[in-house]
Amino acid sequence: ETGVTQTPRHLVMGMTNKKSLKCEQHLGHNAMYWYKQSAKKPLELMFVYSLEERVENNSVPSRFSPECPNSSHLFLHLHTLQPEDSALYLCASSQGIAGVNTGELFFGEGSRLTVL
Amino acid sequence: EDKVVQSPLSLVVHEGDTVTLNCSYEVTNFRSLLWYKQEKKAPTFLFMLTSSGIEKKSGRLSSILDKKELFSILNITATQTGDSAVYLCAVGDKLIFGTGTRLQVFP
Repeated sequence: ETGVTQTPRHLVMGMTNKKSLKCEQHLGHNAMYWYKQSAKKPLELMFVYSLEERVENNSVPSRFSPECPNSSHLFLHLHTLQPEDSALYLCASSQGIAGVNTGELFFGEGSRLTVL
Repeated sequence: EDKVVQSPLSLVVHEGDTVTLNCSYEVTNFRSLLWYKQEKKAPTFLFMLTSSGIEKKSGRLSSILDKKELFSILNITATQTGDSAVYLCAVGDKLIFGTGTRLQVFP
């Protein structure tokens, strides 16, 4: 138990569906992250939120839309995805302010997404 | 472009062996280098290194950073089957990850 909870753990969706991934951290951290992990590729940073403001958008297609309503919750809204978007999506949080004092990341268990 | 390269990509050893994993990097803003272990899903934190030459130890695992030559090594002595995992290195204020080293330890 890392203190970062992701739901759902598994998601199968069609290319025309709209779904959302949810992440909640119980650690009192200031920064939250979305990473994408595909087979045989490095963890790819997608978005970073620091004190509820987006500080990083790593050239992610607009079919992925993040939302951070407060410092404990982070969402990734998905719409009109492609099969190549199938991957493990990992959420993480850290103490300090992202980009200024990035420390240890605490990861959730991930959401395994399959796009048909 | 920021880059993190880990080697070897894959390693197969027997219990009791000692292994050394490498992480080299080129990043614009270096703040720290972190090592993680990923067994199934969530990577778990091992070490954070910020200064050259200071070894961090935790049981059979140790790590050191060389900021002049831009690399770090992770050593695991007397390996056990439970050490089988992917070991990830992340560097910089954006925490760019390498592809990882997959370690398999057989009895």
